[in-house]
Amino acid sequence: DTEVTQTPKHLVMGMTNKKSLKCEQHMGHRAMYWYKQKAKKPPELMFVYSYEKLSINESVPSRFSPECPNSSLLNLHLHALQPEDSALYLCASSQVGRAGNTIYFGEGSWLTVV
Amino acid sequence: KNEVEQSPQNLTAQEGEFITINCSYSVGISALHWLQQHPGGGIVSLFMLSSGKKKHGRLIATINIQEKHSSLHITASHPRDSAVYICAPFTGNQFYFGTGTSLTVIP
Repeated sequence: DTEVTQTPKHLVMGMTNKKSLKCEQHMGHRAMYWYKQKAKKPPELMFVYSYEKLSINESVPSRFSPECPNSSLLNLHLHALQPEDSALYLCASSQVGRAGNTIYFGEGSWLTVV
Repeated sequence: KNEVEQSPQNLTAQEGEFITINCSYSVGISALHWLQQHPGGGIVSLFMLSSGKKKHGRLIATINIQEKHSSLHITASHPRDSAVYICAPFTGNQFYFGTGTSLTVIP
């Protein structure tokens, strides 16, 4: 199983809503990532979890709240988002700390904030 | 300052042409990935390189660690190769991404 599964694939939410994006992998990877991608731009790193601990937070606004409940799951909780937060949110995973580990991406969750 | 520079940004080719995409980076890396992203959004890792050259089918990737440069070549390009190709150096704890090269192969 070399899949990273993201749900939902599409999400439309109002600025007062609370929603979550979910990511799951069963490859035994202990590094998991959230990226945000706007149209025609490369992915921007948001968070990195290493061994279920938050290791990198790229100054992401607190309206985005990550959670890694176990080694297979990664959530991104969304609250009070702004229309400019509309983007493709990509989850990825890889091994930790070894040089040259392959990274696996999910298909992404398309988020629209209205 | 961009840690990763890719060229060209956009590329249109006739089916069958040989294609080269270049990547220069400034960060110290342990490996470099070439990624492919189709319009639907999903990203696939095509290659992971730490030295030399790798070949998968019609795709060839090379890296020169001393010069901090990598290239992706596509031989006998096909319309299904149309996608965005992204260079992604890996520092050991995070990936940097190039701005991507949007490739369109015309039949």
